[in-house]
Amino acid sequence: GQQVMQIPQYQHVQEGEDFTTYCNSSTTLSNIQWYKQRPGGHPVFLIQLVKSGEVKKQKRLTFQFGEAKKNSSLHITATQTTDVGTYFCAGREALSGTYKYIFGTGTRLKVLA
Amino acid sequence: NAGVTQTPKFQVLKTGQSMTLQCAQDMNHNSMYWYRQDPGMGLRLIYYSASEGTTDKGEVPNGYNVSRLNKREFSLRLESAAPSQTSVYFCASSWRDWGTEAFFGQGTRLTVV
Repeated sequence: GQQVMQIPQYQHVQEGEDFTTYCNSSTTLSNIQWYKQRPGGHPVFLIQLVKSGEVKKQKRLTFQFGEAKKNSSLHITATQTTDVGTYFCAGREALSGTYKYIFGTGTRLKVLA
Repeated sequence: NAGVTQTPKFQVLKTGQSMTLQCAQDMNHNSMYWYRQDPGMGLRLIYYSASEGTTDKGEVPNGYNVSRLNKREFSLRLESAAPSQTSVYFCASSWRDWGTEAFFGQGTRLTVV
């Protein structure tokens, strides 16, 4: 079955440093979504990528979807303490005909002031 | 704006007891989902309902049943709780399928002793 892995599992950075998390699927995806979950909170939607090679930016966050639509990345420039949380990708297998969005294992980010 | 409301927020059950987790959304969404989140792990799909009147199994359906009571409500039932079902449960909804943003409830923290 479809599997979605994220690396790294944990990342500690000094405030102001950059951060990147990678999402890898065992199968080709139709699209991919990214969510952020603050400690003790619930996942909150960040963005969706649909096209092969797509790049989207939200202020300091840059999202990429791989050419083969099997991987994605989230890059944060100059991290701030407000970026603390766990970042999840979620993808749906292409041509699956189902609504099964499988979440990645998540990357927990800690930012040291 | 209530969004997605889950009840209860916390629950402790004894092994073998049954209970129903309630979820309601007021955004007129067609699709609803139940996920569980275990420490250090991502969210795993238990069941989903693409539209009113339909339900389908996700990644980890064993030990659970669901009911899409109407467009607004989607409940999750544990018939005979087991310690392995100790987890945080999230309900989510989206306008159509997962090609649209998903909104999550605040979660139900369930402990089975």
